[in-house]
Amino acid sequence: QEKVQQSPESLIVPEGAMSSLNCTFSNSASQSIWWYQQHPGKGPEALISIFSNGNKKEGRLTVYLNRASLHVSLHIRDSQPSDSAVYLCAVRGQGKLIFGQGTKLSIKP
Amino acid sequence: EAAVTQSPRNKVAVTGGKVTLSCNQTNNHNNMYWYRQDTGHGLRLIHYSYGAGSTEKGDIPDGYKASRPSQENFSLILELATPSQTSVYFCASGDARGNTEVFFGKGTRLTVV
Repeated sequence: QEKVQQSPESLIVPEGAMSSLNCTFSNSASQSIWWYQQHPGKGPEALISIFSNGNKKEGRLTVYLNRASLHVSLHIRDSQPSDSAVYLCAVRGQGKLIFGQGTKLSIKP
Repeated sequence: EAAVTQSPRNKVAVTGGKVTLSCNQTNNHNNMYWYRQDTGHGLRLIHYSYGAGSTEKGDIPDGYKASRPSQENFSLILELATPSQTSVYFCASGDARGNTEVFFGKGTRLTVV
């Protein structure tokens, strides 16, 4: 059974600073790793995904994957108040999509 | 744009009653999923499906059944609802390929009294 753990549980970051979120998973053969964003009262929406070791950059987002250490991180550059949300790490493989417990990110103006 | 529609959006049920949550997707996706979300637990997988006629147990299937009568529709059934099943339930759909996005509905808030 795939296990996904996120840290920290909550994070407060000043506006304009870098936000860094972490995720560990249990199966190195997982097909893809996804980060979802969820605002209160809404369904999760995919932000960025990564399949191979290394990093991927899209706009203000950068994700790093290290399959050997079973670790993935998400970094949000120039964080904005609109980035305040819950961020969910998810691992896709064997037909399933398994989530971590989430990190609540608050950006303070 | 990918669309996943859940109904109802809100439901109050009595303990011991039967509850059916419905989900429809117009994306022609093979895979569909049911999750529940509770504070501190993220999203936990209840049941999922690879296509019409198929249902698979997720990580927390006890007390739930699922039905996939067609490509478009996937239902979650609580035969005997209990207060511990009070939660927000999300349906999702995705292509069978593991490197593609899974799309979520807006959620159903279920309260069992």
